[in-house]
Amino acid sequence: DVKVTQSSRYLVKRTGEKVFLECVQDMDHENMFWYRQDPGLGLRLIYFSYDVKMKEKGDIPEGYSVSREKKERFSLILESASTNQTSMYLCASSPGTDPSFYGYTFGSGTRLTVV
Amino acid sequence: AQSVTQLDSHVSVSEGTPVLLRCNYSSSYSPSLFWYVQHPNKGLQLLLKYTSAATLVKGINGFEAEFKKSETSFHLTKPSAHMSDAAEYFCVVSARGNNRLAFGKGNQVVVIP
Repeated sequence: DVKVTQSSRYLVKRTGEKVFLECVQDMDHENMFWYRQDPGLGLRLIYFSYDVKMKEKGDIPEGYSVSREKKERFSLILESASTNQTSMYLCASSPGTDPSFYGYTFGSGTRLTVV
Repeated sequence: AQSVTQLDSHVSVSEGTPVLLRCNYSSSYSPSLFWYVQHPNKGLQLLLKYTSAATLVKGINGFEAEFKKSETSFHLTKPSAHMSDAAEYFCVVSARGNNRLAFGKGNQVVVIP
């Protein structure tokens, strides 16, 4: 089974801190995604990457950046954390051949609280 | 562009009674459709998927869904709810060849003993 591992389940950070959320997948998937999930708003796409060093903005990229130096790892960076970035963050991956056929495999999520 | 509508953000069912979660989609092309489940403080797990084969799709934990093109629907059902079915359920659509998925807002299911 594909595993998508997010390094932290819970994080508490202070306003203004630089925050790194790490995601690693072990099945050689080309595509990787970062979502945030908020009550009443569902899942919203922040950034995605379809190859090493490639990235594309999702629907809500403001205040975030990403890094993909290796195929298996996709990092989400909050340059200067703010309280409105308190949320559940979900990483996902999918094969590059036809992700609409396979769907995504999700990690367990990181619940980030910014105080 | 594709989108998904899930009505009834909160659904309560009694244990042992049927579960029905409604999903209507919009897609410009032949869609792939998925249902995911999320238990509290967990990631999303794939329940089942439709990718242009059989229109009645069986998934894990006794769930199934039927693709109806004429109604642009992909409703999720289970004959008999179990306490462990208490979770949030997401209907998801993607156009073939498109690597982005469109998520519904989710159905929060509560199972009453």
